[in-house]
Amino acid sequence: DAGVTQSPTHLIKTRGQQVTLRCSPKSGHDTVSWYQQALGQGPQFIFQYYEEEERQRGNFPDRFSGHQFPNYSSELNVNALLLGDSALYLCASSLSSLAGGDNEQFFGPGTRLTVL
Amino acid sequence: SQQGEEDPQALSIQEGENATMNCSYKTSINNLQWYRQNSGRGLVHLILIRSNEREKHSGRLRVTLDTSKKSSSLLITASRAADTASYFCATRDTGRRALTFGSGTRLQVQP
Repeated sequence: DAGVTQSPTHLIKTRGQQVTLRCSPKSGHDTVSWYQQALGQGPQFIFQYYEEEERQRGNFPDRFSGHQFPNYSSELNVNALLLGDSALYLCASSLSSLAGGDNEQFFGPGTRLTVL
Repeated sequence: SQQGEEDPQALSIQEGENATMNCSYKTSINNLQWYRQNSGRGLVHLILIRSNEREKHSGRLRVTLDTSKKSSSLLITASRAADTASYFCATRDTGRRALTFGSGTRLQVQP
């Protein structure tokens, strides 16, 4: 049973460039969430995708956008990169739940993005 | 913004000792989850405790939740060097699907 996978593992970009990160959810999961984790901090919620639509969004600018495909995999796109976007980007998958469900999330290994 | 705040920020103990980490949060929650992270890698889910539960055990882990004080604790008994990692609490707030993480406790277990 494959867990959550992310690609690439590491990425180096320069300011102003654009980047796309990819995530495949755990088998049987239909919901994907993205988090940004700066060095020494806890993860910060970016957004969540379900049924190919953004269902909830954190406090991130529109430069951060995403997409979910029919096979539930997802992409995170960041435009006009800033030095402050350097971080570990984590993808988490879960099974959509009704209100009050546990929403237990399983995380991938992350993509380390460095912006120079 | 971070909701949960872990305490202490860093903890160093000897192998075999118990480690206790605390987490405080601010809002109404559905559940609280604890995760472990090794050296900036992915998060490993440890345990979930629902808002109507007070204590939960999993192997050497014991989690308590006090919703009146908006706090939780994670106890690792008989620690091992392999327990060295950062530990995060994360809350699933009522009405939200996202997890809100604290800033973590860095645990160092000396062999």
